[in-house]
Amino acid sequence: AQSVSQHNHHVILSEAASLELGCNYSYGGTVNLFWYVQYPGQHLQLLLKYFSGDPLVKGIKGFEAEFIKSKFSFNLRKPSVQWSDTAEYFCAVTSSGGSYIPTFGRGTSLIVHP
Amino acid sequence: DGGITQSPKYLFRKEGQNVTLSCEQNLNHDAMYWYRQDPGQGLRLIYYSQIVNDFQKGDIAEGYSVSREKKESFPLTVTSAQKNPTAFYLCASAGQGSWKTQYFGPGTRLLVL
Repeated sequence: AQSVSQHNHHVILSEAASLELGCNYSYGGTVNLFWYVQYPGQHLQLLLKYFSGDPLVKGIKGFEAEFIKSKFSFNLRKPSVQWSDTAEYFCAVTSSGGSYIPTFGRGTSLIVHP
Repeated sequence: DGGITQSPKYLFRKEGQNVTLSCEQNLNHDAMYWYRQDPGQGLRLIYYSQIVNDFQKGDIAEGYSVSREKKESFPLTVTSAQKNPTAFYLCASAGQGSWKTQYFGPGTRLLVL
């Protein structure tokens, strides 16, 4: 069975600081990887995803993530955060050989101080 | 305006009562999902359905039931057998394929009186 681990449960940053949120998964086969974001009072929505090709994926609002297959990782990065990035971030994985059911990490709560 | 709607936004349940949460989508998606979100525990899968008239248990199906009579609708019933129902419930839908993005509804917060 696949699993997803998000190492940082709570992150507090000042505006303009750089961000990196860790995500590791356990599954030996072909995977698809997602980062979803839940802004306060809003729907959970897709930030970015990887399913093939260039392992460096760019998403909305200046976020990017790099798929490193050898490390089973898909860390989320942003060079300079803004107060509006305050949200909860979830990493998720699906496997091509499975039933397409995503497995989610426990989430990381990010607070950005102005 | 395509999307997923969930109702009600807040729901109160009395002891021993069954309650049903509504989820409707007009995205023409085959797959629909129900998740429970608790603080610090992420999203846990309750039930999912990949096609009309078929559904499968997720990781925490005990005390819940679903139906999928129409492609657009996937209601979740929280039964009296669910001993800790207070949570935020999220419905999602997606097209077929492991690379497909899930689209989420606004959620229903269930509280026990």
